[in-house]
Amino acid sequence: RKEVEQDPGPFNVPEGATVAFNCTYSNSASQSFFWYRQDCRKEPKLLMSVYSSGNEDGRFTAQLNRASQYISLLIRDSKLSDSATYLCVVGHQAGTALIFGKGTTLSVSS
Amino acid sequence: GAVVSQHPSRVICKSGTSVKIECRSLDFQATTMFWYRQFPKKSLMLMATSNEGSKATYEQGVEKDKFLINHASLTLSTLTVTSAHPEDSSFYICSARGVRGEQYFGPGTRLTVT
Repeated sequence: RKEVEQDPGPFNVPEGATVAFNCTYSNSASQSFFWYRQDCRKEPKLLMSVYSSGNEDGRFTAQLNRASQYISLLIRDSKLSDSATYLCVVGHQAGTALIFGKGTTLSVSS
Repeated sequence: GAVVSQHPSRVICKSGTSVKIECRSLDFQATTMFWYRQFPKKSLMLMATSNEGSKATYEQGVEKDKFLINHASLTLSTLTVTSAHPEDSSFYICSARGVRGEQYFGPGTRLTVT
């Protein structure tokens, strides 16, 4: 079983749509959780950290369910510029590299 | 977020030559940096963890004699691809670890070996 699993998509949605991405992780000792965004031929960029209480940043809402080992990202009112690959990322102990999922591709069209 | 730079952004070299890639944390000190490789339409693959002042830790299957890593200061880590071959052509990305465990990535280096 992969450490971090995501639906690869692609998700094709119209502008203004709400879209949700899900992710599961296998290591119950995981301590930190993030969503990154990667545009084609570019480096990954931190989108937001994910906290147990859930957190929101503008149109983006992230949630974590430790019991189910499940992370989600909700994007409201999708924009064309949201088109990218979204990477679910999990951290174990301090000092070790983050574990990246393979990513979910989102394509927003007008 | 923190700023990480990488140089060069793109390099084309001949088979058999060596290529050095630099990764710098510009506005913070990074005791730990990471080197990744990404092939087209594939996920990031961790190659090694670079610790300032000590030897790098390589992932299984990554040849340490081929991919030399040096982390001589708190703001600079280098990756040298020695005796490069066409199959080494890839997108190499470094990252530096932030205080909350997040990682900030450099813009990447696209290596093409002819």
